[in-house]
Amino acid sequence: EADIYQTPRYLVIGTGKKITLECSQTMGHDKMYWYQQDPGMELHLIHYSYGVNSTEKGDLSSESTVSRIRTEHFPLTLESARPSHTSQYLCASRRGGGAAEQFFGPGTRLTVL
Amino acid sequence: AQTVTQSQPEMSVQEAETVTLSCTYDTSESDYYLFWYKQPPSRQMILVIRQEAYKQQNATENRFSVNFQKAAKSFSLKISDSQLGDAAMYFCAYRSAEVRDKIIFGKGTRLHILP
Repeated sequence: EADIYQTPRYLVIGTGKKITLECSQTMGHDKMYWYQQDPGMELHLIHYSYGVNSTEKGDLSSESTVSRIRTEHFPLTLESARPSHTSQYLCASRRGGGAAEQFFGPGTRLTVL
Repeated sequence: AQTVTQSQPEMSVQEAETVTLSCTYDTSESDYYLFWYKQPPSRQMILVIRQEAYKQQNATENRFSVNFQKAAKSFSLKISDSQLGDAAMYFCAYRSAEVRDKIIFGKGTRLHILP
């Protein structure tokens, strides 16, 4: 099992609420990622980070924001949730090196009513 | 821009049989990495196997092996002696050796194992 954790695992919330999805890893990895994945579908990169104080937007436009204040922690925030944000969000991390694999968290399944 | 194509949305295989999942990719780069990831239902995605493009030898991990055809830009996954635990979504992925922080995933193949 990879040492990467996401909380909550499931979240049902009303439109307009602010939410933060937590992601932590204990492997000391510099690189961390957030993906959005509809059930059984492809993954879309929405944010990534090279290290502390570094964040970049991914290929899929997202209204979410991220921060990287500590190496082990990479939270994702939605200021005002909408039904279109309903999806699964996967966090991943990896060490440097081209062939290094990404380790994935268990995901947060978000439903916005 | 690089693309990864998995042309088989779903496949089924009888338990103990062999199955091959297809993946093709498009790139103008010569140095890159290819991966197969497995996502079981309601469980974490894990790496199955990886291949460095500069290596001619096909990667093998126990019952999992790849057929890497660099000229054809093909990277298929062969699962031998299929087991019920192999049922999952399988994603083929590409990472450039130049831009290492982005990994491009295919749309996935859902594999069913028939008892």
